[in-house]
Amino acid sequence: QKEVEQNSGPLSVPEGAIASLNCTYSDRVSQSFFWYRQYSGKSPELIMSIYSNGDKEDGRFTAQLNKASQYVSLLIRDSQPSDSATYLCAVSSAAGNKLTFGGGTRVLVKP
Amino acid sequence: KAGVTQTPRYLIKTRGQQVTLSCSPISGHRSVSWYQQTPGQGLQFLFEYFSETQRNKGNFPGRFSGRQFSNSRSEMNVSTLELGDSALYLCASSLAGQGAGEQYFGPGTRLTVT
Repeated sequence: QKEVEQNSGPLSVPEGAIASLNCTYSDRVSQSFFWYRQYSGKSPELIMSIYSNGDKEDGRFTAQLNKASQYVSLLIRDSQPSDSATYLCAVSSAAGNKLTFGGGTRVLVKP
Repeated sequence: KAGVTQTPRYLIKTRGQQVTLSCSPISGHRSVSWYQQTPGQGLQFLFEYFSETQRNKGNFPGRFSGRQFSNSRSEMNVSTLELGDSALYLCASSLAGQGAGEQYFGPGTRLTVT
């Protein structure tokens, strides 16, 4: 079993719709959770961090964390073609800055 | 504020050679982490340096090593290159002392081993 799991996609959504991405993790001591966006040929770009159970909103992005279920999600509202990218879920335990990444979900936003 | 910079951006090496990659973190960031990204294995953690000390290490062979200087700049070295070392090598910097903080990635070094 992989430590951090994501559906590889592609997740195809029409422009203006909500894209919903999911991520599960296996290490119960994980404390920090991040979402990165990676365009083809580019490096990952941090879009959200979340540390406590519940929702965190930043512009069109909302991250949701449920530590009991070991589940973190990302919602992208009003999806735009520029949101087409691979979204990486990353998890860290308390032991320093080691991030464990999921395989990523490819999102395609169609005009 | 300038972002994370990595040099060189592209590198072609022959099997058996060694290579050194460089990373300059965001000003004020003292933690530097290195990752390897390949199509097959995804993003994998190599090691992390904080205040010139290796604080975490991933599951990579001893051919992969790194160091950090007093100005927080970091280098990683891969000796006796193998074809499987072809990858995008990413450096990320963070303010965090204890625990995980937000990490910001540089543009990466694309290494091709022939």
